[in-house]
Amino acid sequence: EPEVTQTPSHQVTQMGQEVILRCVPISNHLYFYWYRQILGQKVEFLVSFYNNEISEKSEIFDDQFSVERPDGSNFTLKIRSTKLEDSAMYFCASSPLAGGENEQFFGPGTRLTVL
Amino acid sequence: AQKITQTQPGMFVQEKEAVTLDCTYDTSDQSYGLFWYKQPSSGEMIFLIYQGSYDEQNATEGRYSLNFQKARKSANLVISASQLGDSAMYFCAMRAGRASKIIFGSGTRLSIRP
Repeated sequence: EPEVTQTPSHQVTQMGQEVILRCVPISNHLYFYWYRQILGQKVEFLVSFYNNEISEKSEIFDDQFSVERPDGSNFTLKIRSTKLEDSAMYFCASSPLAGGENEQFFGPGTRLTVL
Repeated sequence: AQKITQTQPGMFVQEKEAVTLDCTYDTSDQSYGLFWYKQPSSGEMIFLIYQGSYDEQNATEGRYSLNFQKARKSANLVISASQLGDSAMYFCAMRAGRASKIIFGSGTRLSIRP
């Protein structure tokens, strides 16, 4: 069964450093998402991406964040200058279609630790 | 505004008993989808079950069923014959209208006692 994959599973970085989190969505999906979950809290939407551009972003997704689909398979989240409060689990998800009645498939997550 | 509410932060259940996890939602959209995800201690998000707003029958997937009461805007998850491996965090979530993002509730931590 096709699945969303994410690398690395765990990333440790120093405050102020740039990190890139990588995701490979399911191959025939068109919509891609990043969510984050701070430890012990609920999952929060960051950004959605369709047709090579951002379709929606949350207040969390400020200028320090960017997303890119550099080729036909990868979908990346870049944090330009990490802060302590960026420590969280980051989930990538993909969906074949948009709209309320379509499932999103989540990857296993990348745990980011900022020291 | 769209919102998901899970009022049970934690629950303890005896193994083999059935358990109901509560979820209420709020949206003005007519078309929406409701999801339940399981998050074990390892951290991944495991999709359990989906209910579409136009589905007339409650969704079922193995031991999981979704008790969908549209008029009350509730979408409770029922786990029959609970197992030790069901111990995890459970999130109710919704995707509404033309929006593509999913919004999550705060979760319920389920602990199964042997």
